[in-house]
Amino acid sequence: GIQVEQSPPDLILQEGANSTLRCNFSDSVNNLQWFHQNPWGQLINLFYIPSGTKQNGRLSATTVATERYSLLYISSSQTTDSGVYFCAVIPFQGGSEKLVFGKGMKLTVNP
Amino acid sequence: DAGVTQSPTHLIKTRGQHVTLRCSPISGHKSVSWYQQVLGQGPQFIFQYYEKEERGRGNFPDRFSARQFPNYSSELNVNALLLGDSALYLCASSLSVGTDTQYFGPGTRLTVL
Repeated sequence: GIQVEQSPPDLILQEGANSTLRCNFSDSVNNLQWFHQNPWGQLINLFYIPSGTKQNGRLSATTVATERYSLLYISSSQTTDSGVYFCAVIPFQGGSEKLVFGKGMKLTVNP
Repeated sequence: DAGVTQSPTHLIKTRGQHVTLRCSPISGHKSVSWYQQVLGQGPQFIFQYYEKEERGRGNFPDRFSARQFPNYSSELNVNALLLGDSALYLCASSLSVGTDTQYFGPGTRLTVL
């Protein structure tokens, strides 16, 4: 099945710093989503981005589908950005409806 | 509009018992998926239902079953609970299947003693 790899696995930043999270996937995808999981376990949608670039405030994401990777940019990080970030994809092959998640990236933003 | 809701929020069971978890999708959404997340891992797909029919099943034993009701809400049932079933169970809803954004509920945290 499709493999989803996220890097780095952990990142510690000072408030105000910028960061880039990377997601590599091993096959073509129909759907790619970025999520932020808060300390209570809620998965919060950040972006639906199977291709192209989107921006939402301090966050932006770019997916290069032909090269099978996606990047999540966090600028001017805040302590509330702390948590685990997941990339998840739905493979392009027919009949597969499930989201396949990476292992996540734990971000800690210190004041 | 309300988001995806799940009940209960927390549950403690003992080995061998049965559990039923419930999920209500966002209004207008017809697809519901269930995921299991154990500590330190990403969520793993269990089931997807669309228009009350099963559209996909992950690599979970037959002790796990689910169904979707005419109002598109869903139940996940787990029989003969094992210690390893302790996890956060997440429900996601989407308008349709495949290319639609999936929105997740707050989850049910199950502890099996």
